[in-house]
Amino acid sequence: DAKTTQPNSMESNEEEPVHLPCNHSTISGTDYIHWYRQLPSQGPEYVIHGLTSNVNNRMASLAIAEDRKSSTLILHRATLRDAAVYYCNAGGTSYGKLTFGQGTILTVHP
Amino acid sequence: SQTIHQWPATLVQPVGSPLSLECTVEGTSNPNLYWYRQAAGRGLQLLFYSVGIGQISSEVPQNLSASRPQDRQFILSSKKLLLSDSGFYLCAWSVGLNQPQHFGDGTRLSIL
Repeated sequence: DAKTTQPNSMESNEEEPVHLPCNHSTISGTDYIHWYRQLPSQGPEYVIHGLTSNVNNRMASLAIAEDRKSSTLILHRATLRDAAVYYCNAGGTSYGKLTFGQGTILTVHP
Repeated sequence: SQTIHQWPATLVQPVGSPLSLECTVEGTSNPNLYWYRQAAGRGLQLLFYSVGIGQISSEVPQNLSASRPQDRQFILSSKKLLLSDSGFYLCAWSVGLNQPQHFGDGTRLSIL
């Protein structure tokens, strides 16, 4: 798995968009980019993943740089329920294994 | 639909006692299974993974072991717990390479 770098924390206001960045400069050509989020005392929840093209689902959008060395998770309208630790992973090719770093603590203000 | 169950939710054990945590998955066949540990305020550390019955790979040497006696059952064990084994233990499954992992609710283990 490629090492990922994320900001330790970010803040947002409710109803505003949030852009969570992730750097994965050593990503291999077959590694997918995965995003998960974790609420206190719960297991991580899958958010979105992609390989090269931008991806959208009901939870978020994933924008992947053309050189794939970075990506951005986009929450279009943050809610208080989006406050969590967000983990970016670049891997999944070797037995589906993922490496979870420290993540970004997202605080959403009412 | 697929579900994953972990138990117990919390566990308090004395140092030197044995451990057995169980994880089962329903609604899928031949899943990849994973055990993670999370220390307080830290990210997740992959402990073991399994791609089939009886196939276990260890990521981190320690006094823990894992077994997969049935297709959708994954067990984490220890013969003698250490203080450093405290943490939040999470089981996860996926259908294969580059696919999302789905996590259980975890077991919070405290060693006294």
